[in-house]
Amino acid sequence: GDSVTQMEGPVTLSEEAFLTINCTYTATGYPSLFWYVQYPGEGLQLLLKATKADDKGSNKGFEATYRKETTSFHLEKGSVQVSDSAVYFCALRDFNTGGFKTIFGAGTRLFVKA
Amino acid sequence: GAVVSQHPSWVICKSGTSVKIECRSLDFQATTMFWYRQFPKQSLMLMATSNEGSKATYEQGVEKDKFLINHASLTLSTLTVTSAHPEDSSFYICSAAATDTEAFFGQGTRLTVV
Repeated sequence: GDSVTQMEGPVTLSEEAFLTINCTYTATGYPSLFWYVQYPGEGLQLLLKATKADDKGSNKGFEATYRKETTSFHLEKGSVQVSDSAVYFCALRDFNTGGFKTIFGAGTRLFVKA
Repeated sequence: GAVVSQHPSWVICKSGTSVKIECRSLDFQATTMFWYRQFPKQSLMLMATSNEGSKATYEQGVEKDKFLINHASLTLSTLTVTSAHPEDSSFYICSAAATDTEAFFGQGTRLTVV
């Protein structure tokens, strides 16, 4: 079945450091890919998305490019802030074969130090 | 993005009682709603998928008699945890989606069974 694998955390960075969180997926169809962020005690917020190969999703300085050849959707940010500390989930949704359900990776916890 | 409202945001109940959690799509009609469960520091585990007017489809290992799901309208789904026990304490998150759009998530409900 469809699955998402993302790098284990926690990831600890200093403010203004470069962030990469790796995410790879397996899917039988052509999924849409998402990054969600969860702040402590809160629900999920959609951070960015990409619906087809080579699409780049971006929001709040975060970017991720849908790479079909490597089945990856790595999250990057050039300069992180303390306020970026949260848990980040990579996810996919396969509208053709997945029954519309969203499959999540395990999540990566990010700590940013001042 | 579309708004999904989940209520209550937290609830404490006594062991053996039942608790109902509501999930509403406020500004769109959701043909499908999903219920997830999240244990501390873990990812979201899909419990069930429900389509308006039909029975929910439960994931393997989820007790359908314990977690009753009703999707009576295109804007409301409810999850009832029956005869709750301390091991049911968790963070429950719903999401709602129209036919082939992205899914939007509620803010979650923290259930504590004492």
